[in-house]
Amino acid sequence: GQQVMQIPQYQHVQEGEDFTTYCNSSTTLSNIQWYKQRPGGHPVFLIQLVKSGEVKKQKRLTFQFGEAKKNSSLHITATQTTDVGTYFCAGRDNYGQNFVFGPGTRLSVLP
Amino acid sequence: GAGVSQSPSNKVTEKGKDVELRCDPISGHTALYWYRQRLGQGLEFLIYFQGNSAPDKSGLPSDRFSAERTGESVSTLTIQRTQQEDSAVYLCASKLSFRTGTEAFFGQGTRLTVV
Repeated sequence: GQQVMQIPQYQHVQEGEDFTTYCNSSTTLSNIQWYKQRPGGHPVFLIQLVKSGEVKKQKRLTFQFGEAKKNSSLHITATQTTDVGTYFCAGRDNYGQNFVFGPGTRLSVLP
Repeated sequence: GAGVSQSPSNKVTEKGKDVELRCDPISGHTALYWYRQRLGQGLEFLIYFQGNSAPDKSGLPSDRFSAERTGESVSTLTIQRTQQEDSAVYLCASKLSFRTGTEAFFGQGTRLTVV
């Protein structure tokens, strides 16, 4: 079945440093979504990417969808303490119906 | 309702007892998902409902776990003969449809503690 992997599992950065998390799927995805879960909270939708090679920006966050639609990345420029949380990617492949989440990357930002 | 509602928010139960967790999805959302999240871990898929189609139960960890959904409304996740390893936050999410690339809206979760 479809598997979604993320690296790294954990990332500790100093405030102001950049951060990147990578998402890889075992199958081609019809779309990919990114979610953020603050400590003690529930996942909240950030963005969706649909087109091959698509790049979207939200302030300091840049999201990319790979050309083969099997991988994606989230890059945060100049991290802030408010960026702390776990970032999950999620996607559905072209054949299945299930919506599979990656294991997440937990980001810690040291002030 | 305005969002996905889950109840109870917290549940402490004795080992061996049965528990029932409830999820009220956003009105009109045909897709509903249950996930389990152990402390500090990722989202573990449990079961998925889409309209009146047969649910995808491939993520249920054992036959002690079951879930039902009435039409496109409320869903209940039942855990029989609870074990300590069942302790986790159980999250429910709904989507407008699995076909469209719409976002998943999560409830606040039910924190289950088995003592």
